[in-house]
Formats: sequence, C-alpha cells, structure tokens
Amino acid sequence: EVQLVESGGGLVQPGWSLRLSCAASGFTFDAYAMHWVRQAPGKGLEWVSDISWNSGSIGYADSVQGRFTISRDNAKNSLYLQMSSLRAEDTAFYYCVKDSGPTGQVPAAVHLDSWGQGTLVTVSS
Amino acid sequence: DIQMTQSPSSLSASVGDRVTITCRASQRISTYLNWYQQKPGKAPNLLIYAASGLHSGVPSRFSGSGSGTDFTLTISSLQPEDFATYYCQQSYSTPLTFGQGTRLEIK
Repeated sequence: EVQLVESGGGLVQPGWSLRLSCAASGFTFDAYAMHWVRQAPGKGLEWVSDISWNSGSIGYADSVQGRFTISRDNAKNSLYLQMSSLRAEDTAFYYCVKDSGPTGQVPAAVHLDSWGQGTLVTVSS
Repeated sequence: DIQMTQSPSSLSASVGDRVTITCRASQRISTYLNWYQQKPGKAPNLLIYAASGLHSGVPSRFSGSGSGTDFTLTISSLQPEDFATYYCQQSYSTPLTFGQGTRLEIK
C-alpha cells in the first residue's frame, strides 16, 4: 500500500522559511516523479512543484518560483519542499503526491495517483 | 496557463440519481484530463485518468468522457459515500491546473 506522510508544517511569520518533508513507502520511490499540491483552507487545489525520478527535471508554479525549492533523496525515500520568503497567501494544506510515471513531463497521461494526508502551513504575524 | 472551468459549481442530488459534471479547458488538451474526489478533511483521490480510464479500486458507477476541450464525469447511481467535491485537472501542459471544484450535496 502506498503511504505518503508529510511533516514540517506549522505557524510561521511572513518572510520566514519552513521545510516540509514527505516520507514515502509501499512503492519504488525512485521510479516515480513526485509533486507538491496545496490547498488554501476552504479553497481549490493548486499545483506547486514537481520533480522527476532522478531530480533531472524540476518545475514550479509562477506563484512560488524563486522562493520554493523541491528536492528528493531516493536513498531515504523522501521528498522535500524548502519554502522561503513565506507570504500570507502561502497559507494552505500542502500535499505530497505521487505521479503515475517517472518524469512528470507533459503532455502525457500524467495523473496524481496517491496523495498524502497533508500538512498545514500557516503564515501569519 | 490552461484554465479549467467546471460546471456546475455546486449540485444537489439524491441517492440513486444520475449526475453529470462538466469540465471545459481554455484550449484543446486531447484526453489529458483527470478527475479527483475530495471528501471534507481528507486528501483528494484519483477517480478517472486520461479522460475515461477508471483508476484501480474506483466503483464502475463512475465514468468519464470527452476530448479536446469538453469533458464530463458521470456517476450513474449516486451512493451516500459519493457526496463530496470533485475536481478536474489537465496534464497537457505545465503548470498542471485544476478546475475550481464541484460540490455535490445531498438533496
């Protein structure tokens, strides 16, 4: 059974940094691309970032480009999101999500087939 | 960015009803369209991939269709556990984008 467990969320002030982690199990982690998707409380889903199986291809939403950095450690079956210069509008549940394929490249029948339970990041003074 | 627009934004229906939710893309996306279900306080779950593929473990009352710019998600006979919010998502280009969601409520 695929399991994705996020951690690292919390309350931070605007301008601060935070690092989210995602521990993966139940599948061959280094064979799949991974994503971060966020959801502001009561709002819809927003794709944040993705990383290919070997970290060779990385993408970001414009809203986080230059502030967030995605990374992975295949030896530790872990995905990370380093967030800096946080803003109030970054407040959201952050989900770690498994891709159906290795690269995340589009156009393709890419789909997000397993999701973690989410971790809440609140940016407020 | 490709804009995804769902209709309706909310829908009231009864157990046993047949329900259709529509998703329209701002440009042609072939069949690179997925559907997710999200229940309150939970993470989304994949229902349909590539417009019409049924994800493993998803009941056969769920089906998807469409190509190009117009897509539909159909639930053939609503069950109590189907009352949730549904999102479409395109995988034609980055950034991946989602529809705003359709909230399906009990009548």
